[in-house]
Amino acid sequence: DAGVTQSPTHLIKTRGQQVTLRCSPKSGHDTVSWYQQALGQGPQFIFQYYEEEERQRGNFPDRFSGHQFPNYSSELNVNALLLGDSALYLCASSFLAGGTDTQYFGPGTRLTVL
Amino acid sequence: AQSVTQLGSHVSVSEGALVLLRCNYSSSVPPYLFWYVQYPNQGLQLLLKYTSAATLVKGINGFEAEFKKSETSFHLTKPSAHMSDAAEYFCAVGPGNQFYFGTGTSLTVIP
Repeated sequence: DAGVTQSPTHLIKTRGQQVTLRCSPKSGHDTVSWYQQALGQGPQFIFQYYEEEERQRGNFPDRFSGHQFPNYSSELNVNALLLGDSALYLCASSFLAGGTDTQYFGPGTRLTVL
Repeated sequence: AQSVTQLGSHVSVSEGALVLLRCNYSSSVPPYLFWYVQYPNQGLQLLLKYTSAATLVKGINGFEAEFKKSETSFHLTKPSAHMSDAAEYFCAVGPGNQFYFGTGTSLTVIP
């Protein structure tokens, strides 16, 4: 049973560029959440997708956007990158229809903005 | 509103000693509480969770946590530390559409 997978593992971009990160949820899960983890900090919630719609959003600017596909996989897009966007981006999946809140995390994508 | 506070950003214990990592929560609704572990350059692995069943929760790798409503606490313990327990530990609170994480506690195990 494959767990949550994310790609790419590492990414280096320059300020002003755009980036797309990808996530495949754990088998049987229908919900994907994205988190940003800055160095030395706990993960901060960006948004959650369920049934291909953004269900809730954390305190992040509109430069952060996402998408969920019919197969439940998801993308996180960040436009106009800033140095402060450098972080580990974590994807977590859960089974909302099953009534559980337990989120399972992927290994993350390390984004470096130069 | 929900939040968690992890007391002690760094904890050091000797191998074989008791591990105690502290977490206090704030929640306006009955909370779901979680402990995750993060090894260097990896994602978060679920250790255990409390979802309003038994107040003493047993997790993987010999860890357990006790939910104490009166103290709004959910401290993580392990009777005997092992070198492989060295990692970053995060407490998180739900339910809802998002988790709120603490700032983490880095556990060092001294041989």
